[in-house]
Amino acid sequence: AQTVTQSQPEMSVQEAETVTLSCTYDTSESDYYLFWYKQPPSRQMILVIRQEAYKQQNATENRFSVNFQKAAKSFSLKISDSQLGDAAMYFCAFATGANSKLTFGKGITLSVRP
Amino acid sequence: DVKVTQSSRYLVKRTGEKVFLECVQDMDHENMFWYRQDPGLGLRLIYFSYDVKMKEKGDIPEGYSVSREKKERFSLILESASTNQTSMYLCASRAGTWWMNQPQHFGDGTRLSIL
Repeated sequence: AQTVTQSQPEMSVQEAETVTLSCTYDTSESDYYLFWYKQPPSRQMILVIRQEAYKQQNATENRFSVNFQKAAKSFSLKISDSQLGDAAMYFCAFATGANSKLTFGKGITLSVRP
Repeated sequence: DVKVTQSSRYLVKRTGEKVFLECVQDMDHENMFWYRQDPGLGLRLIYFSYDVKMKEKGDIPEGYSVSREKKERFSLILESASTNQTSMYLCASRAGTWWMNQPQHFGDGTRLSIL
């Protein structure tokens, strides 16, 4: 069974600074995808970024980038130039296998200080 | 943009009632999912469906059932509501059956309270 671990329940960052949210996972699969989802206080979950396990290059989406360390089974999210709108709960998730169900971590609440 | 609509944002029901949570998506997605979200536990999969009339149990199916009679609609049913089913319920849909790179699209959630 796959597990996703987000060990930090909360983090805080100063506006315009950079913050890194950590995530580790455990799997015996070789082919899988990793995702970071954001859930703002309005509650609709939206995709932030995704990473294919077979790609060595780290994914980047504007101010969001990942540090994917396959051997270490680590998938951290870096948010650069943090903005007030980045305040949300962030979930790391993992998909593999038949029907590609997502396995989510417990989430981390990010607050942004003005 | 994909639109996933859940019928209620807030719902209050009584213990023992049969409760229906409805979810509709407008993008002809094959896959639909029901999760519950609890503080400190993240999202846990209750049931999912990869086609009309097809369903599979997720990680916590006990006390729940689902119905998918039409491709766009996926209903979650609490057969006899209990207080431990008080939670936030999230519906999601995703294109393709085997395309694990496709993201899931979520509704706004239903906060269900069982009294």
